[in-house]
Amino acid sequence: DVKVTQSSRYLVKRTGEKVFLECVQDMDHENMFWYRQDPGLGLRLIYFSYDVKMKEKGDIPEGYSVSREKKERFSLILESASTNQTSMYLCASNTGGEAQPQHFGDGTRLSIL
Amino acid sequence: QQQVKQSPQSLIVQKGGISIINCAYENTAFDYFPWYQQFPGKGPALLIAIRPDVSEKKEGRFTISFNKSAKQFSLHIMDSQPGDSATYFCAASTQGGSEKLVFGKGTKLTVNP
Repeated sequence: DVKVTQSSRYLVKRTGEKVFLECVQDMDHENMFWYRQDPGLGLRLIYFSYDVKMKEKGDIPEGYSVSREKKERFSLILESASTNQTSMYLCASNTGGEAQPQHFGDGTRLSIL
Repeated sequence: QQQVKQSPQSLIVQKGGISIINCAYENTAFDYFPWYQQFPGKGPALLIAIRPDVSEKKEGRFTISFNKSAKQFSLHIMDSQPGDSATYFCAASTQGGSEKLVFGKGTKLTVNP
Protein backbone atom coordinates (compact mmCIF):
# COMPACT_ATOMS: atom_id res chain seq x y z
CA ASP A 1 0.00 0.00 0.00
CA VAL A 2 1.10 3.54 -0.72
CA LYS A 3 2.00 5.43 2.40
CA VAL A 4 2.22 9.19 2.63
CA THR A 5 3.49 10.25 6.02
CA GLN A 6 3.25 13.73 7.40
CA SER A 7 5.65 14.35 10.23
CA SER A 8 3.22 15.95 12.67
CA ARG A 9 -0.52 15.50 13.26
CA TYR A 10 -0.76 18.66 15.36
CA LEU A 11 1.52 21.64 15.48
CA VAL A 12 1.29 24.90 17.41
CA LYS A 13 3.52 27.80 16.43
CA ARG A 14 3.71 31.51 17.08
CA THR A 15 3.22 34.40 14.69
CA GLY A 16 6.40 35.24 12.83
CA GLU A 17 8.01 31.84 13.29
CA LYS A 18 9.42 29.90 10.36
CA VAL A 19 7.49 26.66 10.14
CA PHE A 20 8.42 23.46 8.33
CA LEU A 21 5.89 20.78 7.42
CA GLU A 22 7.40 17.55 6.19
CA CYS A 23 5.94 14.88 3.95
CA VAL A 24 7.44 11.57 2.89
CA GLN A 25 6.06 9.02 0.42
CA ASP A 26 7.32 5.49 0.00
CA MET A 27 6.17 4.63 -3.53
CA ASP A 28 8.72 6.43 -5.69
CA HIS A 29 6.04 8.80 -6.96
CA GLU A 30 7.10 11.57 -9.30
CA ASN A 31 4.45 14.07 -8.24
CA MET A 32 3.88 15.56 -4.82
CA PHE A 33 1.36 18.16 -3.69
CA TRP A 34 0.59 20.41 -0.75
CA TYR A 35 -2.99 21.46 -0.06
CA ARG A 36 -4.67 23.34 2.70
CA GLN A 37 -8.16 22.38 3.80
CA ASP A 38 -10.50 24.86 5.41
CA PRO A 39 -14.19 24.38 6.28
CA GLY A 40 -16.39 25.45 3.41
CA LEU A 41 -13.42 26.08 1.11
CA GLY A 42 -12.48 22.52 0.27
CA LEU A 43 -8.97 21.59 -0.81
CA ARG A 44 -6.85 24.35 -2.23
CA LEU A 45 -3.54 23.62 -3.91
CA ILE A 46 -0.57 25.53 -2.51
CA TYR A 47 2.37 24.08 -4.45
CA PHE A 48 3.20 20.95 -6.36
CA SER A 49 6.30 19.28 -7.69
CA TYR A 50 6.78 17.05 -10.72
CA ASP A 51 10.35 16.11 -9.98
CA VAL A 52 13.23 16.65 -7.61
CA LYS A 53 14.08 20.35 -7.31
CA MET A 54 11.07 21.21 -9.48
CA LYS A 55 8.16 23.18 -8.10
CA GLU A 56 5.14 24.97 -9.45
CA LYS A 57 2.75 27.36 -7.78
CA GLY A 58 -0.76 26.23 -7.12
CA ASP A 59 -3.76 28.42 -6.46
CA ILE A 60 -2.69 29.95 -3.12
CA PRO A 61 1.14 30.08 -2.93
CA GLU A 62 1.41 33.42 -1.15
CA GLY A 63 3.21 33.13 2.18
CA TYR A 64 4.50 29.63 1.42
CA SER A 65 7.51 28.04 -0.19
CA VAL A 66 8.47 24.42 -0.81
CA SER A 67 11.54 22.27 -1.09
CA ARG A 68 12.07 18.94 -2.80
CA GLU A 69 15.67 17.84 -2.51
CA LYS A 70 14.88 14.11 -2.60
CA LYS A 71 12.20 12.33 -4.59
CA GLU A 72 10.43 10.93 -1.55
CA ARG A 73 10.33 14.12 0.51
CA PHE A 74 8.39 17.35 -0.04
CA SER A 75 8.55 20.13 2.51
CA LEU A 76 6.20 23.06 2.95
CA ILE A 77 7.69 26.16 4.52
CA LEU A 78 5.86 29.06 6.10
CA GLU A 79 8.51 31.77 5.99
CA SER A 80 6.86 33.95 8.65
CA ALA A 81 3.76 32.31 10.04
CA SER A 82 0.60 34.36 10.39
CA THR A 83 -2.69 33.58 12.10
CA ASN A 84 -4.49 33.29 8.77
CA GLN A 85 -2.32 30.28 8.00
CA THR A 86 -3.99 28.30 10.78
CA SER A 87 -5.41 25.36 8.87
CA MET A 88 -5.27 21.67 8.06
CA TYR A 89 -2.43 20.91 5.65
CA LEU A 90 -2.56 17.84 3.45
CA CYS A 91 0.25 16.31 1.44
CA ALA A 92 -0.40 14.00 -1.51
CA SER A 93 1.56 12.12 -4.12
CA ASN A 94 0.97 10.20 -7.31
CA THR A 95 2.84 8.72 -10.19
CA GLY A 96 2.89 10.56 -13.49
CA GLY A 97 0.44 9.69 -16.24
CA GLU A 98 -3.27 9.68 -16.85
CA ALA A 99 -5.88 9.06 -14.20
CA GLN A 100 -3.42 8.28 -11.44
CA PRO A 101 -5.05 8.73 -8.03
CA GLN A 102 -3.53 11.09 -5.55
CA HIS A 103 -2.62 9.40 -2.28
CA PHE A 104 -3.02 11.65 0.72
CA GLY A 105 -1.43 11.78 4.12
CA ASP A 106 -3.65 12.21 7.17
CA GLY A 107 -2.86 15.88 7.50
CA THR A 108 -1.16 18.28 9.88
CA ARG A 109 -3.41 20.57 11.86
CA LEU A 110 -1.40 23.73 12.28
CA SER A 111 -2.35 26.46 14.73
CA ILE A 112 -0.62 29.81 14.61
CA LEU A 113 -1.04 31.80 17.81
CA GLN B 1 -13.38 28.83 -15.43
CA GLN B 2 -11.20 26.55 -13.36
CA GLN B 3 -13.80 26.12 -10.66
CA VAL B 4 -15.81 23.07 -9.83
CA LYS B 5 -19.03 23.92 -8.00
CA GLN B 6 -20.31 21.29 -5.60
CA SER B 7 -23.66 21.02 -3.84
CA PRO B 8 -25.06 20.58 -1.31
CA GLN B 9 -22.59 21.61 1.36
CA SER B 10 -24.12 19.11 3.77
CA LEU B 11 -26.54 16.24 3.43
CA ILE B 12 -28.41 14.10 5.93
CA VAL B 13 -29.85 10.81 4.75
CA GLN B 14 -31.53 7.93 6.51
CA LYS B 15 -29.99 4.48 6.40
CA GLY B 16 -31.03 2.72 3.21
CA GLY B 17 -31.73 5.94 1.36
CA ILE B 18 -30.05 7.39 -1.72
CA SER B 19 -27.45 10.12 -1.31
CA ILE B 20 -26.91 12.44 -4.27
CA ILE B 21 -24.12 14.99 -4.58
CA ASN B 22 -23.84 17.24 -7.60
CA CYS B 23 -20.97 19.04 -9.27
CA ALA B 24 -20.80 21.46 -12.19
CA TYR B 25 -17.88 22.81 -14.15
CA GLU B 26 -17.21 25.37 -16.87
CA ASN B 27 -13.87 24.35 -18.35
CA THR B 28 -14.64 22.13 -21.35
CA ALA B 29 -11.02 20.93 -21.33
CA PHE B 30 -11.70 18.91 -18.19
CA ASP B 31 -11.65 15.24 -19.13
CA TYR B 32 -11.21 13.36 -15.89
CA PHE B 33 -13.64 13.52 -12.97
CA PRO B 34 -12.78 11.71 -9.73
CA TRP B 35 -14.59 11.63 -6.41
CA TYR B 36 -12.68 11.50 -3.17
CA GLN B 37 -13.99 10.34 0.19
CA GLN B 38 -12.61 11.67 3.46
CA PHE B 39 -13.31 10.24 6.91
CA PRO B 40 -12.68 12.36 10.02
CA GLY B 41 -9.01 12.46 10.93
CA LYS B 42 -7.95 10.94 7.62
CA GLY B 43 -6.79 12.24 4.28
CA PRO B 44 -9.07 11.97 1.25
CA ALA B 45 -8.98 8.75 -0.75
CA LEU B 46 -10.09 8.10 -4.31
CA LEU B 47 -13.56 6.57 -4.38
CA ILE B 48 -14.48 6.41 -8.06
CA ALA B 49 -13.65 8.29 -11.25
CA ILE B 50 -15.09 8.76 -14.71
CA ARG B 51 -13.94 9.91 -18.13
CA PRO B 52 -16.36 11.83 -20.39
CA ASP B 53 -16.58 9.06 -22.97
CA VAL B 54 -19.16 7.31 -20.76
CA SER B 55 -22.30 8.66 -19.13
CA GLU B 56 -22.27 6.44 -16.08
CA LYS B 57 -19.86 4.38 -14.02
CA LYS B 58 -20.88 2.08 -11.21
CA GLU B 59 -18.79 0.48 -8.50
CA GLY B 60 -20.84 -1.35 -5.94
CA ARG B 61 -23.26 1.08 -4.31
CA PHE B 62 -21.49 4.11 -5.78
CA THR B 63 -22.39 5.51 -9.21
CA ILE B 64 -21.13 8.53 -11.10
CA SER B 65 -23.55 10.03 -13.62
CA PHE B 66 -22.00 12.34 -16.18
CA ASN B 67 -23.79 14.84 -18.42
CA LYS B 68 -21.31 16.30 -20.85
CA SER B 69 -23.68 18.75 -22.53
CA ALA B 70 -24.76 20.20 -19.19
CA LYS B 71 -21.22 20.08 -17.82
CA GLN B 72 -22.44 18.34 -14.70
CA PHE B 73 -21.64 15.14 -12.88
CA SER B 74 -23.00 13.59 -9.77
CA LEU B 75 -22.31 10.89 -7.21
CA HIS B 76 -25.13 8.58 -6.19
CA ILE B 77 -24.78 6.38 -3.14
CA MET B 78 -27.43 3.68 -3.10
CA ASP B 79 -28.58 2.01 0.11
CA SER B 80 -26.62 4.55 2.15
CA GLN B 81 -25.06 3.21 5.34
CA PRO B 82 -23.83 4.95 8.50
CA GLY B 83 -20.31 3.91 7.47
CA ASP B 84 -20.69 6.13 4.40
CA SER B 85 -20.78 9.19 6.66
CA ALA B 86 -17.84 11.23 5.43
CA THR B 87 -16.97 14.31 3.43
CA TYR B 88 -17.05 13.85 -0.33
CA PHE B 89 -15.12 15.95 -2.81
CA CYS B 90 -15.63 16.03 -6.54
CA ALA B 91 -12.69 17.07 -8.68
CA ALA B 92 -11.73 17.63 -12.30
CA SER B 93 -8.57 17.60 -14.32
CA THR B 94 -7.34 17.95 -17.88
CA GLN B 95 -4.99 15.79 -19.93
CA GLY B 96 -6.77 12.64 -18.84
CA GLY B 97 -6.07 13.33 -15.22
CA SER B 98 -2.34 13.84 -15.59
CA GLU B 99 -2.64 17.50 -14.69
CA LYS B 100 -3.44 18.95 -11.27
CA LEU B 101 -6.86 18.40 -9.80
CA VAL B 102 -9.38 21.16 -9.19
CA PHE B 103 -11.52 20.22 -6.20
CA GLY B 104 -15.06 21.15 -5.24
CA LYS B 105 -15.64 22.51 -1.78
CA GLY B 106 -16.92 19.26 -0.36
CA THR B 107 -20.15 17.76 0.93
CA LYS B 108 -20.46 16.45 4.45
CA LEU B 109 -22.71 13.40 4.35
CA THR B 110 -24.34 12.08 7.49
CA VAL B 111 -26.24 8.81 7.29
CA ASN B 112 -28.50 8.29 10.28
CA PRO B 113 -29.10 4.74 11.53
